[in-house]
Amino acid sequence: QQQVKQSPQSLIVQKGGISIINCAYENTAFDYFPWYQQFPGKGPALLIAIRPDVSEKKEGRFTISFNKSAKQFSLHIMDSQPGDSATYFCAASYYSGGGADGLTFGKGTHLIIQP
Amino acid sequence: DAGVIQSPRHEVTEMGQEVTLRCKPISGHNSLFWYRQTMMRGLELLIYFNNNVPIDDSGMPEDRFSAKMPNASFSTLKIQPSEPRDSAVYFCASIAQGAPNEKLFFGSGTQLSVL
Repeated sequence: QQQVKQSPQSLIVQKGGISIINCAYENTAFDYFPWYQQFPGKGPALLIAIRPDVSEKKEGRFTISFNKSAKQFSLHIMDSQPGDSATYFCAASYYSGGGADGLTFGKGTHLIIQP
Repeated sequence: DAGVIQSPRHEVTEMGQEVTLRCKPISGHNSLFWYRQTMMRGLELLIYFNNNVPIDDSGMPEDRFSAKMPNASFSTLKIQPSEPRDSAVYFCASIAQGAPNEKLFFGSGTQLSVL
């Protein structure tokens, strides 16, 4: 059973455009929703995270939008740059930080920003 | 801080051989996680430890897999005997649970190829 579904699998965006990646979850007990960024040959690194008590969180060019009733959340990358080309994973956890019992990850989105 | 350190970075072995992957978590972190990444299944949680004690190993695929954490600064994941389907990238991650802004940090992974 896939508890976190991520789409699209791959995405190509022009430099300066907006990249949007979506995730849907099933378990309403999830309480922490991070996005991880992974470059080739590296481990995933936390990009931005949100708790369900807010609908949006912004950090620089990265924004998470959260819809609790629809059990969906998305990552928006504004003014996308070639350096943003990476694989992005959404995840969910019962506890803040992803500790305690670990994270359940989506399958990932391979993002390519064309110059 | 050197981050989570994994060794080796790459491991190539033949089917039936024993493989041992190593991890040094970030100093002061009290929880450690082993994940496996494949194209087909994405990132899967194999096992995690709290204060060196294994808490949940339900993600370990078979009895051929075992993990230990003899002290707060070292963990191993062993596969014996290894099989070609074990080929994947294995990540170790650690977190200081309960700390302000607790955050899960990943190592760079071990790329395992079983021939």
